[in-house]
This record gives sequence, structure tokens and C-alpha cells, in this order.
Amino acid sequence: GESVGLHLPTLSVQEGDNSIINCAYSNSASDYFIWYKQESGKGPQFIIDIRSNMDKRQGQRVTVLLNKTVKHLSLQIAATQPGDSAVYFCAEKGGSNDYKLSFGAGTTVTVRA
Amino acid sequence: EAQVTQNPRYLITVTGKKLTVTCSQNMNHEYMSWYRQDPGLGLRQIYYSMNVEVTDKGDVPEGYKVSRKEKRNFPLILESPSPNQTSLYFCASSLSRTAETQYFGPGTRLLVL
Repeated sequence: GESVGLHLPTLSVQEGDNSIINCAYSNSASDYFIWYKQESGKGPQFIIDIRSNMDKRQGQRVTVLLNKTVKHLSLQIAATQPGDSAVYFCAEKGGSNDYKLSFGAGTTVTVRA
Repeated sequence: EAQVTQNPRYLITVTGKKLTVTCSQNMNHEYMSWYRQDPGLGLRQIYYSMNVEVTDKGDVPEGYKVSRKEKRNFPLILESPSPNQTSLYFCASSLSRTAETQYFGPGTRLLVL
């Protein structure tokens, strides 16, 4: 079946540097993508989303890039802070007739002081 | 405060003893969903509901039941829990019936002995 996956399970980043978290997907019909942040002991928290008719979307300190040609999604975090340490999940929705999100396994981001 | 609440947050039970985990949202959301989260597997959807009295299976529905009698509530029922249902459970809701931008509850950690 189709799957959503992240390239690396862990990422260590120096405080103040930019972070890039990658995600590959295989369902070419997916029309919506979303990133979540999950801190220890908490539920996933919405970060940013993007529709398939866009290739870039910016939020506060975060940017999501979508490359449909190679089925790749990335989350960029500017000036990474200790509070950004968490597990990050990408998820996709497989088209207008799909009523669920499919999640990747997650990338654990650790920010070094 | 707009939120998704779950109860209980922690539960230890024994094999075969029926239990219910409640989920409630105060955002008038159409869509609600249950996920389980297991190490290395990410979030997997159990059941979802697009509206009152409308529910459907997700990716891992076996051993679970749900109901949606009211818009705000979406309880998860384990009629005869087994040890392989030991997991971290999340309820989520979305304004959109198509499952986009889901907001998650704090989670329920279940241990079945």
C-alpha cells in the first residue's frame, strides 16, 4: 500500500541553526499534507499544512516545501530553539475521496545548546 | 478554551474487562477520529466519524468499537481488551469532514495485563 515516511529517524541540531526535516510519500493522488510536533507526554500539535496545488507555505519560523515531482515534503525550522526539541510527523491525505490522514513514523529532533 | 479532552489519561486493566475511553471536543467539529501510537509505527487510525451517526473503519479497527451519538463525543470501546491493545491512544477532531487539520487530545495510556 501507499506509505508516508521520513528520511531520518533522528536529527541533532545546534541551537540557532536552521533545521530541515524530510518526508517522502508515495501516493501521487495525495492532495493535502500536514506537519505535527509531538513533545514528550503530549498529543501531536499542528504546525503547518499545505495543499498539493502549492509548493511552499510559510508560517512563524517554519516553512513547508512540497516537491510533487519527486514526492518529497520538507519542514524547515528557522533559528532552532531548545523548545523545538520534539518528534515531528508528516502526514498526507490521499485525495478528495480519502477521509483520513496517513502518518509517517516520525523524526526526533534534539537541539544542542 | 478550544480543546479535545480524553478520559482517563492512564488506565491499567486486565484481559477481557470491557472499558471505554471517552473523547469530547468543544469546537463544534464535524470530524472525529481515534488513533493508536506504538513505538516505531507512528500514528495509526482506528476509527473515524464524519458526522453524528456516521462512523467508518480506519487502518486498525479490530478489537475496537466506536459510537457518535452526539457531535461533541466520540467514545472508544474495547469490549474484550487484550495485551496487544496496550498502547497510547489519541482522539482528534477536525472542522473539515475531510479530515484536514486535525487537533489532538492529550492521549490515554492503556496497559492491558
